[in-house]
Amino acid sequence: GPKVLQIPSHQIIDMGQMVTLNCDPVSNHLYFYWYKQILGQQMEFLVNFYNGKVMEKSKLFKDQFSVERPDGSYFTLKIQPTALEDSAVYFCASSLPGDYAEQFFGPGTRLTVL
Amino acid sequence: QQKVQQSPESLIVPEGGMASLNCTSSDRNVDYFWWYRQHSGKSPKMLMSIFSNGEKEEGRFTVHLNKASLHTSLHIRDSQPSDSALYLCAALGPNYNVLYFGSGTKLTVEP
Repeated sequence: GPKVLQIPSHQIIDMGQMVTLNCDPVSNHLYFYWYKQILGQQMEFLVNFYNGKVMEKSKLFKDQFSVERPDGSYFTLKIQPTALEDSAVYFCASSLPGDYAEQFFGPGTRLTVL
Repeated sequence: QQKVQQSPESLIVPEGGMASLNCTSSDRNVDYFWWYRQHSGKSPKMLMSIFSNGEKEEGRFTVHLNKASLHTSLHIRDSQPSDSALYLCAALGPNYNVLYFGSGTKLTVEP
């Protein structure tokens, strides 16, 4: 079936540094999402993105977070600067347009902020 | 954020048995539910979705929805060890395809 890839699978960085998480969505999908899962807790919506714009974001999507997808390349989540509470697994998802389109998820990037 | 509650947290069933998982949303703006299965270290994969009252069956999997109570359940008959995974329920919010997830039910099927 359609696959979403995420690079890297694991990233360890020092607090205050910048990090970029990369997502390679399903090729014909147009909606892109990031979700955050802290260890032992439920996955929570961060942001979604369509046609070069953020459509919806949650309170977890702090000012230090940004997303972009320049010219059909990776869909990225950038955190600058990082904080200890940013340690989590970040899942990328993509979908076709449509109110009830299935979201396809990547395997996640585990981010550890020291 | 919406609240999506799943129960039980963990479930152990014997091979060949029936597994029943529950999910309830506290937000009445929800009109669509998804069930995902996630094996350890892997991507969540969509199993079934439901938005109409009643029941939907696909192979060994059956999903029920009661829209009045915003309760959905997933039933797996003839459970197999390969069904052992984390089962996530997600409710679709009213805006731009935002999914709100429960904490999941960890299912273990013992041979």
